[in-house]
Amino acid sequence: GAGVSQSPSNKVTEKGKDVELRCDPISGHTALYWYRQSLGQGLEFLIYFQGNSAPDKSGLPSDRFSAERTGGSVSTLTIQRTQQEDSAVYLCASSPHQGSYEQYFGPGTRLTVT
Amino acid sequence: GNSVTQMEGPVTLSEEAFLTINCTYTATGYPSLFWYVQYPGEGLQLLLKATKADDKGSNKGFEATYRKETTSFHLEKGSVQVSDSAVYFCALSDGSSNTGKLIFGQGTTLQVKP
Repeated sequence: GAGVSQSPSNKVTEKGKDVELRCDPISGHTALYWYRQSLGQGLEFLIYFQGNSAPDKSGLPSDRFSAERTGGSVSTLTIQRTQQEDSAVYLCASSPHQGSYEQYFGPGTRLTVT
Repeated sequence: GNSVTQMEGPVTLSEEAFLTINCTYTATGYPSLFWYVQYPGEGLQLLLKATKADDKGSNKGFEATYRKETTSFHLEKGSVQVSDSAVYFCALSDGSSNTGKLIFGQGTTLQVKP
C-alpha cells in the first residue's frame, strides 16, 4: 500500500516569506508526527496529532510555527516569516494508533531559506 | 531530560567487516529503544526495537541489546554489505508522555566499500 507522502520534496524560499508543508499519512493511521532534521542535528520532535487534535505541541520552536490536521488525515505545517535557521528537512511520520512507537516516515521536505 | 548520544560518523568499512555503532541514552523510567535506518533517497525505516532491559532486537542481520546497567543500545552486524550503506539513528520513546514521541540521536553515516 501507499506510504507516507510529503510535498513539496524541496522548497526554496526567501527570508520573511511564509511556507506550507504537506503530509499525507498512511490511510487509517490515527497518529501523526512532525520532526525536523537540521544540518548536523538529530531529528527534533515538533508536534504530535491524535486524530485532528494536537495534544503535544511542545517541540514547536516558536510561535511562527503552526500545524493543523483535517479529517484525521492530511496535515499541514506552516512556518510564517521564515528565517535562515528554519532551513532543515521536515519529516512527517504516522503510526496506527496512539502511543505506538512504530512510526512510518515520509521522505521529507527539504526547506532552504535564502 | 531524555536524550540519546550516538558515535560520530562517518564510519567507513570494507565489505564483510564487523560493525558496531555505539548508542547510549539518558532517560527516566523505562523507555523502549529503537534503531531506524535511512537509505539514500528514502525515508526512515524502523530497523529493530527492544522494549525492556536485556531484550535483543534483531533484523536483517543487525542486532542490539537493551543494557539498562550501561544505558546502552549498541548496533552490531557481523558482516556488512555495500547495501548497508545508510544513516543509522538510535532513538528512545519518551515515556513521560503517552504520545509515542521519539527522541533521536544525531545519526551515524555508514559507508561500506566493496
